[in-house]
Amino acid sequence: KAGVTQTPRYLIKTRGQQVTLSCSPISGHRSVSWYQQTPGQGLQFLFEYFSETQRNKGNFPGRFSGRQFSNSRSEMNVSTLELGDSALYLCASRGSGETQYFGPGTRLLVL
Amino acid sequence: GENVEQHPSTLSVQEGDSAVIKCTYSDSASNYFPWYKQELGKGPQLIIDIRSNVGEKKDQRIAVTLNKTAKHFSLHITETQPEDSAVYFCAASSYSSASKIIFGSGTRLSIRP
Repeated sequence: KAGVTQTPRYLIKTRGQQVTLSCSPISGHRSVSWYQQTPGQGLQFLFEYFSETQRNKGNFPGRFSGRQFSNSRSEMNVSTLELGDSALYLCASRGSGETQYFGPGTRLLVL
Repeated sequence: GENVEQHPSTLSVQEGDSAVIKCTYSDSASNYFPWYKQELGKGPQLIIDIRSNVGEKKDQRIAVTLNKTAKHFSLHITETQPEDSAVYFCAASSYSSASKIIFGSGTRLSIRP
């Protein structure tokens, strides 16, 4: 089985712009979660989508949003980018069990 | 709120020796405790996990112990090898929020040849 894939792998944006990141889960997995990883804050949960519905949400501002499509692929959007949004954004998929499988991440740099 | 504390933040051991990483969690509802290994440029990879109804689990050179009363869990790596060098994260989640994993701050493990 192919693992979790994320595109793009690297991205450079400027303050005020918006960005969309994409995640394709492992085939058959219906849950997709997003995490932000920074040196200062570590790994933080953003949100989870299951069957096209947001099921859980972390403590991030409304500038961070997401959606999930009928094929379980998910996108994450960040609007009005700030310097502090520079991070590695990780997507993870989960099947019927508890184990989450992570993708390689998208490294976002905001200038 | 929910919190997972992890120690130490860095650990250097001689090749062949053992490494131990310790974590504590705050949420009594936590019942699933995975450990992830993250290498440079990659996403976290699950190396072992334990559920609250089990006190210990072993997989070759890796073992995890859980003390639910004290809210402590630990990772033990024996006979360390150079390829064990990486950042290790402990984590916790509850049945009601299985995808909302709370991660520890990470331990950078270095294996000295």
